[in-house]
Amino acid sequence: KAGVTQTPRYLIKTRGQQVTLSCSPISGHRSVSWYQQTPGQGLQFLFEYFSETQRNKGNFPGRFSGRQFSNSRSEMNVSTLELGDSALYLCASSLDSALWENTGELFFGEGSRLTVL
Amino acid sequence: TQLLEQSPQFLSIQEGENLTVYCNSSSVFSSLQWYRQEPGEGPVLLVTVVTGGEVKKLKRLTFQFGDARKDSSLHITAAQPGDTGLYLCAGPVQNNDMRFGAGTRLTVKP
Repeated sequence: KAGVTQTPRYLIKTRGQQVTLSCSPISGHRSVSWYQQTPGQGLQFLFEYFSETQRNKGNFPGRFSGRQFSNSRSEMNVSTLELGDSALYLCASSLDSALWENTGELFFGEGSRLTVL
Repeated sequence: TQLLEQSPQFLSIQEGENLTVYCNSSSVFSSLQWYRQEPGEGPVLLVTVVTGGEVKKLKRLTFQFGDARKDSSLHITAAQPGDTGLYLCAGPVQNNDMRFGAGTRLTVKP
């Protein structure tokens, strides 16, 4: 069973540019979550999508957005990049409501490491 | 302020030593999970604790969920270099919105 796939693995951008990251969840998983990981803040929740709808959103500015397609693949976009956006962006998939019902887990990809210069 | 506070932030020990790391919150959680993350990889689930007071053992790892379901601990017996990694606790807020602590970075020296 293929795991969660994130692309690209590494990328370098400059301030003011925008970036799009892609995530393919495990087959059959309809929930996709995105996290930002930095040494100072740890894993911060960005948003979660299910059936092409954003169900939950963390405390990030509107520059951070995402979407989910009918095949459950998801993308996140960061516009007008700032130096502080440099981070590892992790995508995780899971079965619907399994976490809330204490029966599931998040399956993470290896992440996309973004460096903003 | 993190919803889940983990301590210590860093821990460096010799092979064979025992250690305990903690995850605390002022909020009650229906469950807590522990993940381990190694460099260059995403976190991987170790355990889910659901019942207050529950103790789960995975080989040399012992996980405990507090009676009030606000805290959890992870105890490692006779640590090995392979235990090196970032240990993260996480709890569900709603639906599949999982919130993580900042983690404990463990280094086990041979």
